Amino acid sequence: DTEVTQTPKHLVMGMTNKKSLKCEQHMGHRAMYWYKQKAKKPPELMFVYSYEKLSINESVPSRFSPECPNSSLLNLHLHALQPEDSALYLCASSQESTGRRTEAFFGQGTRLTVV
Amino acid sequence: LAKITQPISMDSYEGQEVNITCSHNNIATNDYITWYQQFPSQGPRFIIQGYKTKVTNEVASLFIPADRKSSTLSLPRVSLSDTAVYYCLVHNFNKFYFGSGTKLNVKP
Repeated sequence: DTEVTQTPKHLVMGMTNKKSLKCEQHMGHRAMYWYKQKAKKPPELMFVYSYEKLSINESVPSRFSPECPNSSLLNLHLHALQPEDSALYLCASSQESTGRRTEAFFGQGTRLTVV
Repeated sequence: LAKITQPISMDSYEGQEVNITCSHNNIATNDYITWYQQFPSQGPRFIIQGYKTKVTNEVASLFIPADRKSSTLSLPRVSLSDTAVYYCLVHNFNKFYFGSGTKLNVKP
């Protein structure tokens, strides 16, 4: 199984709503990532978890709150978002190793629209 | 972070070989070079990864010169379905930062 599964595929939320994006992988990967991708732009790294601990936060606003409850799951909690936060949110995972050679597997993304 | 430069777009015709070059002058000793393909509204898909010289798999080849300041992704005999954005990543360990990408347009 080389799949990263993201739910939901589409989400529309109001600026006062609280919602969560979910990501799951069963490849035994211990590094998991959240990316944000605006139209016609490259994916931007938001967060990296390593062994269920947050290792990188790319100065993401606090209205985005990541959570890694176990080695297979990654959540992104959303609260008080702005319309400019509308984007494709991608989850990825990779092996966590002391070596340099590693490949990230991506999910299909959640298309988020903030109204 | 290594500064990455790729062409914004390229055109090709079906059946041709396509070479996309990525410049990464300040690549570090520990960095690997990885290429991803992305279709609209889908997650990026791994194509190939290398450290130096040449790497080949069933879909592409990656050429890296000795100084490692650039790399070239080679796609043999492209088809319409290869129309996508191709990203060159230069990364160490699990820090996967994407550059601007190259939009490849394959014409019939």
